[in-house]
Amino acid sequence: NAGVTQTPKFRVLKTGQSMTLLCAQDMNHEYMYWYRQDPGMGLRLIHYSVGEGTTAKGEVPDGYNVSRLKKQNFLLGLESAAPSQTSVYFCASSSPDSIQETQYFGPGTRLLVL
Amino acid sequence: AQSVTQPDIHITVSEGASLELRCNYSYGATPYLFWYVQSPGQGLQLLLKYFSGDTLVQGIKGFEAEFKRSQSSFNLRKPSVHWSDAAEYFCAVGNNAGNMLTFGGGTRLMVKP
Repeated sequence: NAGVTQTPKFRVLKTGQSMTLLCAQDMNHEYMYWYRQDPGMGLRLIHYSVGEGTTAKGEVPDGYNVSRLKKQNFLLGLESAAPSQTSVYFCASSSPDSIQETQYFGPGTRLLVL
Repeated sequence: AQSVTQPDIHITVSEGASLELRCNYSYGATPYLFWYVQSPGQGLQLLLKYFSGDTLVQGIKGFEAEFKRSQSSFNLRKPSVHWSDAAEYFCAVGNNAGNMLTFGGGTRLMVKP
């Protein structure tokens, strides 16, 4: 039981390049989330999904797209990377079985945009 | 809109000393409150959570937190800190739908031997 995994662990991009971050969970959770973590700002929600085939915007969605084609996977895409997107990205998942179920976090992806 | 403030960016305590990390929240209804811990290079791990009932909540690793509605606070405490507690701690408030967490900016804890 791996929990929540993220690939890659680290990536360097040049401005304007694109990339996709992959999040996978093996807990059969309905809900999945993408956050970014910046110093002094905690974690901010980028996008989330409440089920396969559904996505919704969070607090800071601009410049990102997401897809949830399979229940266990949640992809975060950057179409044209900008230096402001240098951050650590965390994926999380949770079950809606009871209100405010715990969110389980992946180990993070560190992204540097030059 | 919900928000969380952690007034202390850095805290240093001696090993064996007591610890209190402050958290203040803003939320229009009954809040759902969480404390997470993040060790260097790791993801976040849930320490404890409050939904309702007893305002003193016990968590893992000997941590506890007290919900005080009158002060809009949810402070984290530990009676005796261990060197392994050095990490960053995040307070968060959740919405009623259970799908949005708002995090504070975090408090980095350092433990002196």
